Amino acid sequence: GQQLNQSPQSMFIQEGEDVSMNCTSSSIFNTWLWYKQDPGEGPVLLIALYKAGELTSNGRLTAQFGITRKDSFLNISASIPSDVGIYFCAGHNFGNEKLTFGTGTRLTIIP
Amino acid sequence: EPEVTQTPSHQVTQMGQEVILRCVPISNHLYFYWYRQILGQKVEFLVSFYNNEISEKSEIFDDQFSVERPDGSNFTLKIRSTKLEDSAMYFCASRTGANQPQHFGDGTRLSIL
Repeated sequence: GQQLNQSPQSMFIQEGEDVSMNCTSSSIFNTWLWYKQDPGEGPVLLIALYKAGELTSNGRLTAQFGITRKDSFLNISASIPSDVGIYFCAGHNFGNEKLTFGTGTRLTIIP
Repeated sequence: EPEVTQTPSHQVTQMGQEVILRCVPISNHLYFYWYRQILGQKVEFLVSFYNNEISEKSEIFDDQFSVERPDGSNFTLKIRSTKLEDSAMYFCASRTGANQPQHFGDGTRLSIL
């Protein structure tokens, strides 16, 4: 099946730093989504990307849909304590119902 | 903001017992999903449901699993005879229409003893 690999697996940063993480796929997706998961909670949608090359922002978050349709990145600027959590990318193809989730990037902010 | 709600938040069940996990999707949503997440792993698709029937299911969703929309608001996942390896977080999700993103509930933690 389709595999989504995220890197890095984990990040330790200081408050105020910018963060960059990415997601690569073995095959093409038509839609890329980024979710954040806090402990004991479900994934919360951050950004949805629908066109190759699309760059979309949501506050301090910016995500891009790669031109090849096989990758996406998420940037967080000026990180704050509530950014702590696990970030998942997910891919979707037209005609399918399922989301394929990535392996996740765990973000920790060092005091 | 409308939310997907799931009950119970934690379910503890003896191996071999039946369990029903409940979800109330967002009210104007038409497509419904179940996913699971084994501790420390990624979220995995189980099944999708539209127009009162299963539209897609994964290899995980075998004969022990079933879904139902018994009324206009609830969406349930039943596991007939639970196994130890069914222990996981189970997430319900829903969306409105084509090309709209899925929104997730906070999950039910299922622990099989």
